[in-house]
Amino acid sequence: EVQLVDSGGAFVQPGGSLRLSCEASGFTFATSGMSWVRQAPGKGLEWVSYISSSAIYYADSVRGRFTISRDMAKRSLFLQMDSLRVEDTAVYYCAGTGRFFQDWGRGTLVTVSS
Amino acid sequence: IQMTQSPSSLSASVGDRVTITCRASQAINTYLAWYQQRPGQVPKLLLYAASTLHSGAPSRFSGSKSGTDFTLTISGLQPEDVASYYCQQYSSAPFTFGPGTRVDVK
Repeated sequence: EVQLVDSGGAFVQPGGSLRLSCEASGFTFATSGMSWVRQAPGKGLEWVSYISSSAIYYADSVRGRFTISRDMAKRSLFLQMDSLRVEDTAVYYCAGTGRFFQDWGRGTLVTVSS
Repeated sequence: IQMTQSPSSLSASVGDRVTITCRASQAINTYLAWYQQRPGQVPKLLLYAASTLHSGAPSRFSGSKSGTDFTLTISGLQPEDVASYYCQQYSSAPFTFGPGTRVDVK
């Protein structure tokens, strides 16, 4: 059974940084593309970033501020978020595998506010 | 690639046939997925490749494609189908979602 456990969300001030994590199990993590998808309160889904063995992509809204990475040994996906803005406030979901998302974490809440 | 959806919301009776349309701003072949998100829950994959039903998704859900227009059909709306529905293109990055369609039962 595929499991994605995302964590790391917190309250942070504008301009601050945060690192989200997602622990994966139940599938071949090393060969699977993974994404972060976010959802602002009361709003729709927004794809944020994707990583695979051959590519890394970012949404325009986060490029240059967020960095996606993964640790194969720990079977973990990460999202380093710098220069956070109020508009980054959202539930962040770890999602996979591949370019569409059959598996989702439960989400972790990031609140950016002064 | 921009994705639009219509309508933004709808209300229908149990047993009704419901249709949601998603339009891509350029050709995406069949690289389109549909998701269901019930209130307070995590999104679930319903269909991928425009018309392939994901394992475990009810057979009353179906998808089709005509050019850059994609349709999600619910054949016989059920009370548990109250949710928001999102399309997503995965033809090329950024892998954009549509704005969503909220479905309620009268």
